[in-house]
Amino acid sequence: SQTIHQWPATLVQPVGSPLSLECTVEGTSNPNLYWYRQAAGRGLQLLFYSVGIGQISSEVPQNLSASRPQDRQFILSSKKLLLSDSGFYLCAGQGYTFGSGTRLTVV
Amino acid sequence: GQNIDQPTEMTATEGAIVQINCTYQTSGFNGLFWYQQHAGEAPTFLSYNVLDGLEEKGRFSSFLSRSKGYSYLLLKELQMKDSASYLCAVWSGGSYIPTFGRGTSLIVHP
Repeated sequence: SQTIHQWPATLVQPVGSPLSLECTVEGTSNPNLYWYRQAAGRGLQLLFYSVGIGQISSEVPQNLSASRPQDRQFILSSKKLLLSDSGFYLCAGQGYTFGSGTRLTVV
Repeated sequence: GQNIDQPTEMTATEGAIVQINCTYQTSGFNGLFWYQQHAGEAPTFLSYNVLDGLEEKGRFSSFLSRSKGYSYLLLKELQMKDSASYLCAVWSGGSYIPTFGRGTSLIVHP
């Protein structure tokens, strides 16, 4: 079975600072991977998905980017955070399993 | 595009049965998921339906009708810990990207 690891669990960052959230996968090779964001009281918004190393598709143009340097590693980044980037960020694999999420607060 | 509709909120009594509906409009349907999400936590997988009919798993069951674009999640013998948000998600198209509904917040009271 597939296990998704995410860290950190919580993060407080100032506006304008960079961001790097990492997601790693165990138990499967060449998985489809997804980054979602969930704003308070709202549904899951798909940000990026990847079907393989170096292959990234962006669903929503914004202040974020994603990379997949290794088969089981998916990274979400920003060069300069905005207040609107606050939310609960979730990495998911193959639609079945989610990581534990990172709650980001931009102050 | 896709359109997934769920009720925003439902309330039920401990020990009762509740049915949470999900309707969808999509092309190239591949499957439908139900997830449970407690406040502040990540969603956890409950069920996956790809064929019409009822799938039973303990106190939880999920039903799918592809021709009607309709699914429901049935929760029996409700417990207080079942208070959570229930998310319906649909896979469609060749890229297998799941799209989520806004979720149904279920409140179970004594």
